[in-house]
Amino acid sequence: QEQLVESGGGVVQPGRSLRLSCAASGFTFSSYGIHWVRQAPGKGLEWVSLISRDGSNKYYADSVKGRFTISRDNSKNTLYLQMNSLRPEDTAVYYCAKVRGGDNWNSLGPWGQGTLVTVSS
Amino acid sequence: DVQMTQSPATLSASVGDRVTITCRASQSISSWLAWYQQKPGKAPKLLIYKASSLESGVPSRFSGSGSGTEFTLTISSLQPDDFATYFCQQYDRYSTFGQGTRVEIK
Repeated sequence: QEQLVESGGGVVQPGRSLRLSCAASGFTFSSYGIHWVRQAPGKGLEWVSLISRDGSNKYYADSVKGRFTISRDNSKNTLYLQMNSLRPEDTAVYYCAKVRGGDNWNSLGPWGQGTLVTVSS
Repeated sequence: DVQMTQSPATLSASVGDRVTITCRASQSISSWLAWYQQKPGKAPKLLIYKASSLESGVPSRFSGSGSGTEFTLTISSLQPDDFATYFCQQYDRYSTFGQGTRVEIK
């Protein structure tokens, strides 16, 4: 079955960097756009970023634009999120999620289990 | 930016109740709306896409309706497994989520 597994979370000091990974299996990874969505502790969902199936189109929320970079390696069925200049407000569980259909802007499913990023000194 | 406003924030209900959650968009999003269920410590799960289409494997007691700016998620007869938080998502212009509705046991 379709599955996404995030990794790379942890505790990091403000201003430092972290790279998240999302390993996909059970579907043709190169055929689908993939999103990152985050959820601060006890809060709602916030869309973070989207990359198209071939990596040619990338989109970011204003809150992370210029600091985060999304990328993918279709030969490894893996998605990445490079997070630089981290701030305490970036503390959240980060989920990767596959678009449901062919369009990049779409409902999302399945989702990974999430990886927790904590930005604190 | 398209803002999504969900109501209520919390809903207390009993098993067997009919439950309705509302999501309003700040501008028309046609039918580009999805609903998700999230349980504590778990990832969201897609229930409804394109406002009213039921995702495969989701029980038929869940239904969605609406278009333009107003949408509803209805659970026809609340089951013990349905106590969770529900989020709407618009995907007409980028992507935005509602604040969530927590369905708790009355």
